[in-house]
Amino acid sequence: QVQLQESGPGLVKPSETLSLTCTVSGGSISSYFWSWIRQPPGKGLEWIGYIYYSGSTNYNPSLKSRVSMSVDASKKQFSLKLSSVTAADTAVYYCATLTLLNWFDPWGQGILVTVSS
Amino acid sequence: DIQLTQSPSFLSASVGDRVTITCRASQGISTYLAWYQQKPGKAPKLLIYAASTLQSGVPSRFSGSGSGTEFTLTISSLQPEDFATYYCQHLNSFPITFGQGTRLEIK
Repeated sequence: QVQLQESGPGLVKPSETLSLTCTVSGGSISSYFWSWIRQPPGKGLEWIGYIYYSGSTNYNPSLKSRVSMSVDASKKQFSLKLSSVTAADTAVYYCATLTLLNWFDPWGQGILVTVSS
Repeated sequence: DIQLTQSPSFLSASVGDRVTITCRASQGISTYLAWYQQKPGKAPKLLIYAASTLQSGVPSRFSGSGSGTEFTLTISSLQPEDFATYYCQHLNSFPITFGQGTRLEIK
């Protein structure tokens, strides 16, 4: 059974780049769509984008200019970079499998990233 | 973008009650809708996909229905562990969006 685990800094300074990694265990990273979703404290869920194991991507237009995703199949990891962050980017960031391009399952446990100087 | 509007946003109910949460889409999305349950400090958990298919391991008291623009999530008999926030999510087109959530609390 696939399990996901997010990792990365919990504190990022304004205007800098947020970088997170999701490690896949218990299954193959190939032939799946891997996604990032975020949730500001006390608020709802926002889809950030997905990357296919081949490297093709699809980003939310609301974040597209600042988002970059990559995949390292040899390490069974995929990554998120979000540039020029502000306090509005403070959120719990989740990685998840976008199953059959339709629903998210499973999810990682999430990682809180705070943007503050 | 397709907007999903959940109603109600807040629901107070008792153990044993039957509750229904509605998710309305701003345009038709066929049956490309999923429902999630989220408890405080935890990741969302998939309950239902394709509008009405119960995810493996999810209790049968949960059910989903609908197509097009109106969908419902029903819990037939509330259990203490069901008090949580529920979200709908579509993937009829990109970007993927979620409803604003329905918080279900104990009366």
